[in-house]
Amino acid sequence: DAGVIQSPRHEVTEMGQEVTLRCKPISGHDYLFWYRQTMMRGLELLIYFNNNVPIDDSGMPEDRFSAKMPNASFSTLKIQPSEPRDSAVYFCASSLRPLGVAKNIQYFGAGTRLSVL
Amino acid sequence: QKEVEQDPGPLSVPEGAIVSLNCTYSNSAFQYFMWYRQYSRKGPELLMYTYSSGNKEDGRFTAQVDKSSKYISLFIRDSQPSDSATYLCAMSVRSNDYKLSFGAGTTVTVRA
Repeated sequence: DAGVIQSPRHEVTEMGQEVTLRCKPISGHDYLFWYRQTMMRGLELLIYFNNNVPIDDSGMPEDRFSAKMPNASFSTLKIQPSEPRDSAVYFCASSLRPLGVAKNIQYFGAGTRLSVL
Repeated sequence: QKEVEQDPGPLSVPEGAIVSLNCTYSNSAFQYFMWYRQYSRKGPELLMYTYSSGNKEDGRFTAQVDKSSKYISLFIRDSQPSDSATYLCAMSVRSNDYKLSFGAGTTVTVRA
């Protein structure tokens, strides 16, 4: 398996523009997570889905952020309008519901480095 | 106060040294403890996974959990330049908790 695939790897945009980040989870995984990582705040969970349904979006910072998962193999995180303080690395991760005492392991993509000027 | 505290470092050690990393936490209900390794410009990857108190060893890596002190550690023996990375601790109350509590990460450099 190719792992979790994110695109683009780098995005530079101007304040006020719409930004769309994309993620393809590992095939067969039923959980998908969006994280944001900054030096100041570390790794923060923004939202996660189970079977394409958003379960917990309490980490989404503002209404400017939205996430969708139209099918099991694709998710987007959109920021509209973008602001300089949104500059960060955004990670997507996926996981398979553990059976019994199996581990809950999240597999991360390589991230999208977003710079909002 | 953050739920999980981790000294961001950076930590620089010579090759072959023992690297000692740790996290403290405030939620006594945490039972599952993880260490993730993150190389530069990459996503985190799971390194160690432990349940409750005690030690777990995997090759050069040893994870320790002291629930009475709310303190976890990761030791890297015979460190190599390839161990240079950021190490993040993470924890959860239940095995099926998908909302992990992460530490800030400690950046380690192993000098050849």
